[in-house]
Amino acid sequence: RKEVEQDPGPFNVPEGATVAFNCTYSNSASQSFFWYRQDCRKEPKLLMSVYSSGNEDGRFTAQLNRASQYISLLIRDSKLSDSATYLCAAVGGSYIPTFGRGTSLIVHP
Amino acid sequence: NAGVTQTPKFQVLKTGQSMTLQCAQDMNHNSMYWYRQDPGMGLRLIYYSASEGTTDKGEVPNGYNVSRLNKREFSLRLESAAPSQTSVYFCASSERTGSLYEQYFGPGTRLTVT
Repeated sequence: RKEVEQDPGPFNVPEGATVAFNCTYSNSASQSFFWYRQDCRKEPKLLMSVYSSGNEDGRFTAQLNRASQYISLLIRDSKLSDSATYLCAAVGGSYIPTFGRGTSLIVHP
Repeated sequence: NAGVTQTPKFQVLKTGQSMTLQCAQDMNHNSMYWYRQDPGMGLRLIYYSASEGTTDKGEVPNGYNVSRLNKREFSLRLESAAPSQTSVYFCASSERTGSLYEQYFGPGTRLTVT
C-alpha cells in the first residue's frame, strides 16, 4: 500500500463548480503536508502548504484531518485554467516528502 | 532568480550509453533531490542530498549515481542506460522553514533510452 494515496480521477467539472479532492496518508508521524499543481509535461509547482488549522488562498482551501489521516483541497468557482493534476505530499520525520500519484482535474466550459 | 535549472531538457540514449543530468539551484537551499516520474507511478525518489557533502538513496536508486558538487549543484549519472530508465527526471531543492519543508522543482529532463 502506497504511503500517500489519491483518487486519480479524472474529475470532470463545469466552470464555476466547486470540487474537492482528498488525499490519505498512512504514516502517522507525518508532520507537514502540501498540495502541488502539475500541468501537462511541466514540473510540479507548490500550490499550498497545509496548516493544522486549515488555510485558504483565494478560491483554494486546504484542510488537515489528523485523526482520519487525510488532507483535502477544495477549489471554488473552478476556472478552465484550473485544469491540471494535483499532487499531495506528506513529510515525515526524515524530512523526505512522499508524493501521491496525483488527481486529474478537467474543467470544461 | 532562476530557481532550479536542469540540463538537458531532452535526451535520447542507446542502451549501454552513459550520461549525466545536471541540476543547479540559486535559492541557497541545503537539500536537493532527484525524482523520476513515470505514467501512473507518480514521483519516485532516486537519491537525495540533505546537505552539501552528503547523499542518500531513495526509493529507486539502482542504476544511478549522484554527486553533490557544491551547495548549488547536484548531478545524476546513468552509467549504463537501460530502456527501463526511460522517464522524466525532476530535480528539486528545499529548505526547512519552521515546520514546513516546501520543495521547488526544476523543469525536468525527458530521457528516452532505445
